[in-house]
Amino acid sequence: DAGVTQSPTHLIKTRGQQVTLRCSPKSGHDTVSWYQQALGQGPQFIFQYYEEEERQRGNFPDRFSGHQFPNYSSELNVNALLLGDSALYLCASSLVGQGSTEAFFGQGTRLTVV
Amino acid sequence: AQSVTQLGSHVSVSEGALVLLRCNYSSSVPPYLFWYVQYPNQGLQLLLKYTTGATLVKGINGFEAEFKKSETSFHLTKPSAHMSDAAEYFCAVSGGQGGSEKLVFGKGTKLTVNP
Repeated sequence: DAGVTQSPTHLIKTRGQQVTLRCSPKSGHDTVSWYQQALGQGPQFIFQYYEEEERQRGNFPDRFSGHQFPNYSSELNVNALLLGDSALYLCASSLVGQGSTEAFFGQGTRLTVV
Repeated sequence: AQSVTQLGSHVSVSEGALVLLRCNYSSSVPPYLFWYVQYPNQGLQLLLKYTTGATLVKGINGFEAEFKKSETSFHLTKPSAHMSDAAEYFCAVSGGQGGSEKLVFGKGTKLTVNP
């Protein structure tokens, strides 16, 4: 079982650019959630995707958007990057369709905006 | 609304000593409570969770936590610290298992274990 995989592991972008982060859920899972973890802080919920729809959303601006594909993998897109978007972005997968399980986290993508 | 407060951003113990990491929560619905561990440059690994039933929860690596509703607490303990326990620990609350409902995390406690 490969677990939750995220790519890339590290990324450096310039302010104003756009970025796409990718997540493959644990085998058998149908739901993907994204979290932002700023340095020295706990993770903060961005949004959750289930059945290719955004199911829940945290307090993040519209610059943050996502997508879920039929194979349950997901992308997180951030437009017009700000220095404050520098953080570890964590993807978590779970099974919701047939009874809820806890969230399993990937290793994260470290985004640095310069 | 839900929130988590972790008392102490840094805790230092000697190897073999008791580990106690404090977590207090606020929740408008019956809470599901979690402790996660994060090693440097890693994601989060679930240590243990409280859903319903027994209030003393045992997890991996010898950790346990007790849900105390009257104190709105979910403190994490381990009788004897090991060097490999050095990491950052996050307490989280959710309205569900954490898979279907969002997790609300505390700011974390960094545990240092001294030889």
